[in-house]
Amino acid sequence: DTAVSQTPKYLVTQMGNDKSIKCEQNLGHDTMYWYKQDSKKFLKIMFSYNNKELIINETVPNRFSPKSPDKAHLNLHINSLELGDSAVYFCASSQWSDFTTDTQYFGPGTRLTVL
Amino acid sequence: AQSVTQLDSHVSVSEGTPVLLRCNYSSSYSPSLFWYVQHPNKGLQLLLKYTSAATLVKGINGFEAEFKKSETSFHLTKPSAHMSDAAEYFCVVSDADKLIFGTGTRLQVFP
Repeated sequence: DTAVSQTPKYLVTQMGNDKSIKCEQNLGHDTMYWYKQDSKKFLKIMFSYNNKELIINETVPNRFSPKSPDKAHLNLHINSLELGDSAVYFCASSQWSDFTTDTQYFGPGTRLTVL
Repeated sequence: AQSVTQLDSHVSVSEGTPVLLRCNYSSSYSPSLFWYVQHPNKGLQLLLKYTSAATLVKGINGFEAEFKKSETSFHLTKPSAHMSDAAEYFCVVSDADKLIFGTGTRLQVFP
């Protein structure tokens, strides 16, 4: 049973399109995250949700809109895709939102390519 | 603000030889530090974490790291590399409300 799953694994699309990436965790965790990993492998947090409430929004363009329908899901919708959005997007979850002690569990990633 | 610097972007070792991946941190208070590993085309996995308890931290797969406040370092070591250790390794420091990732060190293991 996969702990944190993401779909799709690969996403290739044209500039200007709108796309969504889905994330689900079956660990019973309260907190979920979206990270962006660029072509140089640099990983940066985008959003975090705790019990469906947004707690972090890291200066991400408002074309990116996360949605958490329930505690186990955190989806990422991206409007008007740009070339610079090409990256690997990782979903993660943790039991709580204590960044000093919690272990974050990562999904396998979604490689987004914008043409 | 918290930050981490991974001193080597690439490290190459032979199988069976020791591994050393270097990480320095900058923190205005006592930090929590982590090492995560990313195998090719996979998500990240926690190797170990330091949260102000014992300064020598043991992790999975034979890895360990030592927190040295005087040197502001948290280097990752393993006595004997295995082919399956080839991966990208990230040193991470916790900030008040997020994790700050280093730029990663690619470990290559040669037979």
